[in-house]
Amino acid sequence: EIVLTQSPGTLSLSPGERATLSCRASQSVSSNYLAWYQQKPGQAPRLLIYGASSRATGIPDRFSGSGSGTDFTLTISRLEPEDFAVYYCQQYGSSPLTFGQGTKVEIK
Amino acid sequence: EVQLVQSGAEVKKPGESLKISCKGSGYTFSTYWIGWVRQMPGKGLEWMGIIYPGDSDTRYSPSFQGQVTISADKSISTAYLQWSSLQASDTAMYYCARSYYYGSGSYMDVWGKGTTVTVSS
Repeated sequence: EIVLTQSPGTLSLSPGERATLSCRASQSVSSNYLAWYQQKPGQAPRLLIYGASSRATGIPDRFSGSGSGTDFTLTISRLEPEDFAVYYCQQYGSSPLTFGQGTKVEIK
Repeated sequence: EVQLVQSGAEVKKPGESLKISCKGSGYTFSTYWIGWVRQMPGKGLEWMGIIYPGDSDTRYSPSFQGQVTISADKSISTAYLQWSSLQASDTAMYYCARSYYYGSGSYMDVWGKGTTVTVSS
């Protein structure tokens, strides 16, 4: 099973700042099958990115994904107030699919 | 609008059985996989398994194999997650999600709002 390790655990930033979230896999993710989700308190997760860098429908272009192999990054270019949430990476290149433990982006 | 509507919160006692549901609308339910994801209180996301309603092909995470049963009724566009004997450790939020399955795994583009299951004596 592929283990995904996200860092940092918590990111304290101000609105307008750039957020860089990391997701490292214990082995190479096949075909860069990596997704990112956003979850706000009391809500279901929301798909942001799939295939490492493709934005899901309706996702603002301030969200971008990059990376390959074992190292992936989610970047939020300028944080909006609604972006403060927990973010999860998830790989679907190997069975079983697995999630990272999450990165919380909080207001500084 | 594509939607997944999940059944309401449940409070059960240890040893009881339970079946929760997830009804799809706004798309052809039988042609997309549906996955189930567990989130225990204050914790992260865990993938449980997936079903293709068109032919009921089902895959389970090793962590959940034998612990739950996933099923679907394409005639009413509904997927199910069931337990035969609940334990306190099954207390969690359970999400269903429409899934794009790639043979080894899937990503999930539309999620239900979740069903809270509480198991307590």
